[in-house]
Parts: sequence; structure tokens; C-alpha cells
Amino acid sequence: RKEVEQDPGPFNVPEGATVAFNCTYSNSASQSFFWYRQDCRKEPKLLMSVYSSGNEDGRFTAQLNRASQYISLLIRDSKLSDSATYLCVVAPSGGSYIPTFGRGTSLIVHP
Amino acid sequence: DAGVIQSPRHEVTEMGQEVTLRCKPISGHNSLFWYRQTMMRGLELLIYFNNNVPIDDSGMPEDRFSAKMPNASFSTLKIQPSEPRDSAVYFCASSLRGHTEAFFGQGTRLTVV
Repeated sequence: RKEVEQDPGPFNVPEGATVAFNCTYSNSASQSFFWYRQDCRKEPKLLMSVYSSGNEDGRFTAQLNRASQYISLLIRDSKLSDSATYLCVVAPSGGSYIPTFGRGTSLIVHP
Repeated sequence: DAGVIQSPRHEVTEMGQEVTLRCKPISGHNSLFWYRQTMMRGLELLIYFNNNVPIDDSGMPEDRFSAKMPNASFSTLKIQPSEPRDSAVYFCASSLRGHTEAFFGQGTRLTVV
């Protein structure tokens, strides 16, 4: 089983739609969770951290489910500019902090 | 802040040649990562430095790859000899300390012909 798994998509949605991505992780000792966004031919950039209690940033909501070992990202009212690849990132606790990236989920928002 | 700086942005080289990729992390960051990204395999961690010391190099594909971090503001990734299958985008990233976000450079797009 891969450490971090994501559905590659693509998710093809119309503007204004709500879309959700899930990401599962295998290491139960994982302590830090993030969603990154990567535009075509660009570097990954942090979208948001994922906290145990869940967190929201405008149209974006991230959730963590430790029991089932997955995190989710919900995008409401999709914009054309949301089209990108969304990477799930998981890091363990302890002194050796090594973030592991999922393969990413491709989102295409069309008019 | 200038962010993570990588050079060159693009590199085209012939098979068998030596390639050196360079990275300047964000000042004050003590963790540095080299990643490789391909369509087939996604983003793979090659090596991780903490306080200039290599902590995990299990992702380095083979002996042709080597990485150094002589000081806190500079790191190199060297491929010698290069092969066509090394063609990929190589990213350098740095972070302030464990459990915080990693900031990426713009990457080096390497093509080995």
C-alpha cells in the first residue's frame, strides 16, 4: 500500500460546483497534514494545513479523520482559477520530519 | 524574502554528461529537501538534510546521484553520468523546522538526450 494515496482524477466540474477530494495515508503515526496546490509547470505551493478539528479558509474546507486515516478537501463555488492539481501531504511525528506527497488530484473547472 | 532559489531553470544535456543542480534555501530554514517529479511517478523525495546533515537519502535512485550541503545556504544535486531516464523536474524545498510547511523553488527541468 502506498504511503499516501489520492484519486488522480481528473475531476471535471462546472463553475460554481462543489467538489471534494479525499486522501488516505498508511502511517498511523502521521502528525502533520497539508494540502498543496500545483499549477501546470509550476512548483507546489501550500494551500492550507489540516488541523485535527478541521479548518476553513474561504471556499476551502479541510478535514482530518484519524480513525480512518484520511484527509479531505472541499471546494465550494468552484472558480475557473481553481483548476490545478491538489497534492495531499503527510508527515510523521518525531525528529525526522519528512513530508510525503501524494500523486495529486487533477481538477478542471469549466465555464 | 526571495524564496527558495534554484538554478538552472532548464538544462538540456547529452547522455553521459555530468549535471549539477543548485539550490539556495530560504534564510533561516534548517531543513532542505530534493524532490524529483515525473508524470509516471509523481513527486518523489530524493534526499533530506537537517542542519546541513543528510538524514535520509533512501530515495536517491543509484550511485550516479549525489547531494551535498556544504553550508546552510547552499545545496547541490549531481548526476554523473546522466541518462535519458533522469529527465524530470527537480525541486528543492526548505522548511523552518519539523512539522511546518515546505517552500519549493521553481524547479529545474532536466532533459537528457
